[in-house]
Amino acid sequence: GAVVSQHPSWVICKSGTSVKIECRSLDFQATTMFWYRQFPKQSLMLMATSNEGSKATYEQGVEKDKFLINHASLTLSTLTVTSAHPEDSSFYICSARDPARLNSNQPQHFGDGTRLSIL
Amino acid sequence: GENVEQHPSTLSVQEGDSAVIKCTYSDSASNYFPWYKQELGKGPQLIIDIRSNVGEKKDQRIAVTLNKTAKHFSLHITETQPEDSAVYFCAASLPLRSSYKLIFGSGTRLLVRP
Repeated sequence: GAVVSQHPSWVICKSGTSVKIECRSLDFQATTMFWYRQFPKQSLMLMATSNEGSKATYEQGVEKDKFLINHASLTLSTLTVTSAHPEDSSFYICSARDPARLNSNQPQHFGDGTRLSIL
Repeated sequence: GENVEQHPSTLSVQEGDSAVIKCTYSDSASNYFPWYKQELGKGPQLIIDIRSNVGEKKDQRIAVTLNKTAKHFSLHITETQPEDSAVYFCAASLPLRSSYKLIFGSGTRLLVRP
């Protein structure tokens, strides 16, 4: 079945550092990917919709200059947390839809997440 | 916008018993309702889904029901096993004009006691 790979799975860095997280669709081409953030014992909150070849669409309250999204190919989207601070520590998860079914709802396939800890 | 409410937040059952998790949604335009299971430190895994033109769907021990009029849907797990212990999330998918975004419920922590 479809697989989404996320890298790295875990990162610890100092405050002020920028961190890049990669999301790859392994056996299908994804024109649309989604980025979520999940705090401990909470639900997944959608941050942005990543569209291949165009600008990402951010949800209300998400700083686009803080969370840079690049979707340069049909199999890769990246999320860069710029000048990260302790409050950015969270579990970041990506998902992808199979574009072969563009005109219908299809399951989103999720990566295994990236645990980001900012010291 | 769409809002999804999920109950209960925690559920403890004896092995072999059934577990039921309920969700309600607000946007009548939502037409796809997946359920995900999330284990500790992992991403969500799809376990079952249902579309708005269907009232019920079953896959072995797991079933989902949908009441479009009342805008609620439920997950039923029968003959629960300890490995069913996890956090379960319901979600509602907005239509094409919203890029099929998924709006998640708050999650249910299921504990199956051996």
